Amino acid sequence: SQQGEEDPQALSIQEGENATMNCSYKTSINNLQWYRQNSGRGLVHLILIRSNEREKHSGRLRVTLDTSKKSSSLLITASRAADTASYFCATDAGNQFYFGTGTSLTVIP
Amino acid sequence: NAGVTQTPKFQVLKTGQSMTLQCAQDMNHEYMSWYRQDPGMGLRLIHYSVGAGITDQGEVPNGYNVSRSTTEDFPLRLLSAAPSQTSVYFCASSQTGPWNEQFFGPGTRLTVL
Repeated sequence: SQQGEEDPQALSIQEGENATMNCSYKTSINNLQWYRQNSGRGLVHLILIRSNEREKHSGRLRVTLDTSKKSSSLLITASRAADTASYFCATDAGNQFYFGTGTSLTVIP
Repeated sequence: NAGVTQTPKFQVLKTGQSMTLQCAQDMNHEYMSWYRQDPGMGLRLIHYSVGAGITDQGEVPNGYNVSRSTTEDFPLRLLSAAPSQTSVYFCASSQTGPWNEQFFGPGTRLTVL
């Protein structure tokens, strides 16, 4: 069984708008990471937030973590067509790593 | 610095055939792992290794074997391919464990007929 689930499964927005996707997970975590996958490619690491952090920023990305609700959100501000991709949250439990089911983001130029 | 490389990029097998998916990294990472990605399922961990000579099972290990004789290489073996193993396979590495940023290879698309 997978650790995480993303919501929504798919999201379509206009260029310049903000995109928010959410991740829920099941068990206690050490860290939560977000990855991006362009169609047909491998995954690329975006940002890592530790369990004792509540918010983290990296460029146009803002990640929040609420360990009491076992949830995280990824906000992409001022979206661009190049942000079109699938986004996955992932959590580590010991030496194992669990990915969510992903959110497919389409940014319309 | 090539990062994580995987070969082949595409492979078609018949049921019952065996093959090895190759994975190599040149970043001197201790932790390496294999995932499979199926539509609507996200990525699931097959096997992982925390260093040369040490491997362990992930979430979906059945039907797959691994070994880690060197820090650089982490091959994944399918002993008797089944149609249920049709998937895209990704290899990844990180410095010490999954709590670090993981670097992914480009993937191998495997079809089992």
